[in-house]
Amino acid sequence: GENVEQHPSTLSVQEGDSAVIKCTYSDSASNYFPWYKQELGKGPQLIIDIRSNVGEKKDQRIAVTLNKTAKHFSLHITETQPEDSAVYFCAPNQAGTALIFGKGTTLSVSS
Amino acid sequence: NAGVMQNPRHLVRRRGQEARLRCSPMKGHSHVYWYRQLPEEGLKFMVYLQKENIIDESGMPKERFSAEFPKEGPSILRIQQVVRGDSAAYFCASSPEGLVNSNQPQHFGDGTRLSIL
Repeated sequence: GENVEQHPSTLSVQEGDSAVIKCTYSDSASNYFPWYKQELGKGPQLIIDIRSNVGEKKDQRIAVTLNKTAKHFSLHITETQPEDSAVYFCAPNQAGTALIFGKGTTLSVSS
Repeated sequence: NAGVMQNPRHLVRRRGQEARLRCSPMKGHSHVYWYRQLPEEGLKFMVYLQKENIIDESGMPKERFSAEFPKEGPSILRIQQVVRGDSAAYFCASSPEGLVNSNQPQHFGDGTRLSIL
């Protein structure tokens, strides 16, 4: 089965800095790569996703890059703000199957 | 445009009782997934359902747990004879109908926090 690892497990940055979280996976059949943000007491919120035929996708301050050969994809947040503080999960999967979540990265943005 | 609705938000049960968790998917979504989250961990898949069908229940314990998604009404996750280890947050996600072998984003509700006394 799929083995998913996220690094780092915790990340502290100053407001305005960039943050990068990396996700490695083992199943070469995975073809969908989403990132979720979870705030305390809430469900995961999809913030960006990428499919295997694309190498990079950007949405304002958030971007995701994919390296299928090396089996990893990364979340990039620029100009971080205190409201970006949350737990971030990657969840690679194949079409029509359940998401396999990493253990999460706790991002703290201090002002 | 309502999102995925789960109720109750919090549920307290004593050992041996039954717990019923409900999930109403987003409008137009016909796929429902249930996940369980233990404190400070990622979500673990339990079961995937379409209307009136269980597609994949490989993540669900064989005993005491069951799920359904009837033609009318919400999806139900049922836990019989609950034990302390069932305490967790249970999340439901839904996705729309899609092409075969296509990925449709899963959108999550805010979960049910189940506490077993």
